[in-house]
This record gives sequence, structure tokens and C-alpha cells, in this order.
Amino acid sequence: SAVISQKPSRDICQRGTSLTIQCQVDSQVTMMFWYRQQPGQSLTLIATANQGSEATYESGFVIDKFPISRPNLTFSTLTVSNMSPEDSSIYLCSVEFRAWGPSGANVLTFGAGSRLTVL
Amino acid sequence: AQKITQTQPGMFVQEKEAVTLDCTYDTSDQSYGLFWYKQPSSGEMIFLIYQGSYDEQNATEGRYSLNFQKARKSANLVISASQLGDSAMYFCAMREGLMDSSYKLIFGSGTRLLVRP
Repeated sequence: SAVISQKPSRDICQRGTSLTIQCQVDSQVTMMFWYRQQPGQSLTLIATANQGSEATYESGFVIDKFPISRPNLTFSTLTVSNMSPEDSSIYLCSVEFRAWGPSGANVLTFGAGSRLTVL
Repeated sequence: AQKITQTQPGMFVQEKEAVTLDCTYDTSDQSYGLFWYKQPSSGEMIFLIYQGSYDEQNATEGRYSLNFQKARKSANLVISASQLGDSAMYFCAMREGLMDSSYKLIFGSGTRLLVRP
């Protein structure tokens, strides 16, 4: 399965600043996905990033707030812009990988996450 | 309506015993997949097991098995011989439209499992 590295693993940020999270995969993948997990909550898909095209955002998420880059098949960044305390979350990068079981299904593999705290 | 429902916010189990974590889902798709992930306190998401809607047999993976009851739309996770390291949050998730090029997982609210020594 793919190995996903995320940086930073955690950070404490000031209100109104922006932070860019990096996601590096050890193999080429078509799609990369960014999820958010707010404190005590489940995971919510922010956007899907394909190489060479604009990211596709889910309802409730906009490019101005969460700009995404996907310069090649192994790397993506997510920026959390103009942060407020409500943006305090774990942000997880994931890729579709690893055919599993008799049906050969692909599963999502996740990075370790970036835990952001906004003061 | 929620697509994935996990009705147990928290569960306790004695070490070495088996435990079942409940998950029900709602979809009108005929082709879908069900997943279970484990999230330890470190925050990473660890894939445990997968069940496809067309898979005839219940999925198993080591100490994990999935009790798939399609007519009842349930996909409960069974952990046998619990270990202290099993203490974590467990999320059930569903992917609809397996034949589509898009890939979106819908997660349940999670169940926190605590294994007692």
C-alpha cells in the first residue's frame, strides 16, 4: 500500500493567518483527497485533487478558504486560509490504493494527519 | 437522513473477549462498499476491513470480521480476543457508486472502544 507523509504533524496558529499542509505519496496516484476532522467529530471530505486540473470541492467548502495544489502525481498541498478557531481540526490526506479481498476493491489509505489548533 | 449510523458512542470490553460495533447504512445504490477504520489517539486512520455489496461471504481479516446483513442494511464489526491496543475510535464508512470514477467515503460518527485489562 502507499506510504503517505504529511507535514506539519501539528501546529498552533494565530487567528487570521494561513497555513499550508503538504502531502507526499511514495507512488504515483491519480486522485488525492483531503478530509477534515473537527474535534470529537467524524471525517468530512473537503475536496478531491486531480493532477493537472482544478480540485473538486464538496458542499460547504470553497477554494478561497481551502486552496489546493496538485503539481504532480505524488504531491499535493492544502492551505487553510484566514484561520479562525473553528478551523481547529485534524486535516488528513488520503489516496485510493490497495486492491483488497476477493473483489479487488480499492480502499482509502490515510496519512497520519495534521492537527491544527487556532488561537 | 444520515447515511451511516453508529449508535454506540462508547463501548467497554474486557481483554480477550469479543465485541461487536454496530453500523447501519442507508443507500439506494446497488453497488456500494462498506469500510471500517480504526483511529488511535495519535489521530491516524487505519483501514481494517472491507465488504462489497456484491460479496457473498462476510469479510474477515485476522481478528476482525464484518457481519454483513444486506437486507437489514447493517455492517457490524466484530473484534475477537480484544487486546489493550484495540482501544481506539472506530469508524464505519460507505462508498456509493463503486462504478463511478469519483471516490467519496461517508463516515459515521464513530464508536470509542475501551478495552479493560
